[in-house]
Amino acid sequence: DAGITQSPRHKVTETGTPVTLRCHQTENHRYMYWYRQDPGHGLRLIHYSYGVKDTDKGEVSDGYSVSRSKTEDFLLTLESATSSQTSVYFCAISSNQGADGYTFGSGTRLTVV
Amino acid sequence: SQKIEQNSEALNIQEGKTATLTCNYTNYSPAYLQWYRQDPGRGPVFLLLIRENEKEKRKERLKVTFDTTLKQSLFHITASQPADSATYLCAPSPPANQAGTALIFGKGTTLSVSS
Repeated sequence: DAGITQSPRHKVTETGTPVTLRCHQTENHRYMYWYRQDPGHGLRLIHYSYGVKDTDKGEVSDGYSVSRSKTEDFLLTLESATSSQTSVYFCAISSNQGADGYTFGSGTRLTVV
Repeated sequence: SQKIEQNSEALNIQEGKTATLTCNYTNYSPAYLQWYRQDPGRGPVFLLLIRENEKEKRKERLKVTFDTTLKQSLFHITASQPADSATYLCAPSPPANQAGTALIFGKGTTLSVSS
């Protein structure tokens, strides 16, 4: 999607390994979010950021950490991947806490074997 | 805690009919509510936002209503087309005591429009 890119698009990793997903934006938006999407659960918030170095936990943050050292990049790290973290991960951005809608990336499909 | 329910997982209608999707929320009063469209393998796309002081909002063939008494939003697609087939997600704004956090999304309703 225009202004926001996620990498990689697909990844297969082994249980126990660390994994980092990247979200990059060119919109200079203050707010960035990481969600995971699973069948039967919908989109669930993992972590979000309200500015550089300012982050907070979401509903399903256990096993995940994030970092935001500059406005354009928001990294999601699975510290030690487990099979339960197999999912599709979406990053989103917004300019004013979402009051004008979120813009989502195309997602990263992660498989932990 | 807040709870969001979308009426059904799947809705099948014929081309030309009006599709009506329901979003119910409990335990709080959102300041606004958003609707998104998601196609397979893609991220959700923002469609419409309706505020608590607005009863209805329209955009082309889309119409959204917001009933704060019933704690419900209805999303209508008139003159539906096969290209409208997708999953539609509702997302009320966070509770006031969690302002500045993030949207919580319903699980979505998958609409299939047959020709």
